[in-house]
Amino acid sequence: EPEVTQTPSHQVTQMGQEVILRCVPISNHLYFYWYRQILGQKVEFLVSFYNNEISEKSEIFDDQFSVERPDGSNFTLKIRSTKLEDSAMYFCASRTANEQFFGPGTRLTVL
Amino acid sequence: GIQVEQSPPDLILQEGANSTLRCNFSDSVNNLQWFHQNPWGQLINLFYIPSGTKQNGRLSATTVATERYSLLYISSSQTTDSGVYFCAVVDDGANNLFFGTGTRLTVIP
Repeated sequence: EPEVTQTPSHQVTQMGQEVILRCVPISNHLYFYWYRQILGQKVEFLVSFYNNEISEKSEIFDDQFSVERPDGSNFTLKIRSTKLEDSAMYFCASRTANEQFFGPGTRLTVL
Repeated sequence: GIQVEQSPPDLILQEGANSTLRCNFSDSVNNLQWFHQNPWGQLINLFYIPSGTKQNGRLSATTVATERYSLLYISSSQTTDSGVYFCAVVDDGANNLFFGTGTRLTVIP
């Protein structure tokens, strides 16, 4: 069964460093998403992407964040200058019709 | 934005017991999904159920969209059912999921 994959599974970085989180959505899906979950809290929407552009973004998705689909399969989230409060699990999701499918997540720890 | 409330926040069950988890939402929705977050943090799709009733093995779900709630039933619970159950909705005019705060289920042998 096709699934969303994410790399790396864990990322540790120093405050102020740039990180890139990678996702490979399900191949025939057209809508892509990033969500995050701070430890012990609910999952929060960051950004959605369709037809090679951002379609919606939340207040969390400020100028430090960017997304890109550099080729036909990868979908990336970049955080330019990480802060302590960016420590969280980051999930990528994709959908074709209505149901969203989530990847296993990348646990980001900012020291 | 839309509000999604789940109850109870925590639930402890003996193995073999049944349970009902509830999700209330504050506005009309065109998508509702239930997820199980396992101890490794993965979000596992349980149901896509904007309305009606579905069953999958020991789990079933019902959404009454006109009354703005959904229920997840777990029968004959097993220790592997432990984790956090999230309800998430897409409201009219949006395409992203809004998650509830979850129900943490612990099944003890």
